[in-house]
Amino acid sequence: AQSVAQPEDQVNVAEGNPLTVKCTYSVSGNPYLFWYVQYPNRGLQFLLKYITGDNLVKGSYGFEAEFNKSQTSFHLKKPSALVSDSALYFCAVRLRFSGNTPLVFGKGTRLSVIA
Amino acid sequence: GAGVSQSPSNKVTEKGKDVELRCDPISGHTALYWYRQSLGQGLEFLIYFQGNSAPDKSGLPSDRFSAERTGGSVSTLTIQRTQQEDSAVYLCASSANVAGVGGNEQFFGPGTRLTVL
Repeated sequence: AQSVAQPEDQVNVAEGNPLTVKCTYSVSGNPYLFWYVQYPNRGLQFLLKYITGDNLVKGSYGFEAEFNKSQTSFHLKKPSALVSDSALYFCAVRLRFSGNTPLVFGKGTRLSVIA
Repeated sequence: GAGVSQSPSNKVTEKGKDVELRCDPISGHTALYWYRQSLGQGLEFLIYFQGNSAPDKSGLPSDRFSAERTGGSVSTLTIQRTQQEDSAVYLCASSANVAGVGGNEQFFGPGTRLTVL
């Protein structure tokens, strides 16, 4: 079975400071990993994904994430937070070579960036 | 259209009534998914369609829930005899097909907010 843990329900950070949103996963094999963002009253928007290759993945809006196999983590990071980054962030996993099977999502982390 | 669309955006119904929620996926996407998002609960998988294969219904919470996908495109999620615990945002997503690889992201619609009174 696959699962994702986002240990923090809420992350608060001052504008201009670096931000990290944590994600750990569990799969019985190699994973594909994804980050999504949800703004109020909107659907989920794709940010970035790790498929293979370089462990550091860069995505939309200046976000990046680092795949760490030994720690089974895929933390989302940004060097300098903006107030407009305030939203709900979801990490998701899919077992590699499982086709288009549904992504398994974490419960989400609410990010608040304070001016 | 360019993205996944869902209708209605909001639905208020009375307990015991049936509701139908519609999803139009991105043109050409062979995979279609329904999820439910309840407050503080994250995303709960409901059902998954892949091409002409039998759908994966393993996430449907009860036999009051059903979904169909006509012509490999539009999908309708039906909830019969709605209960107050069915109140949630219902999200639809679609994904392109790259056989066996599985690295494709899902594209989400804006959701339908269902309120059962």
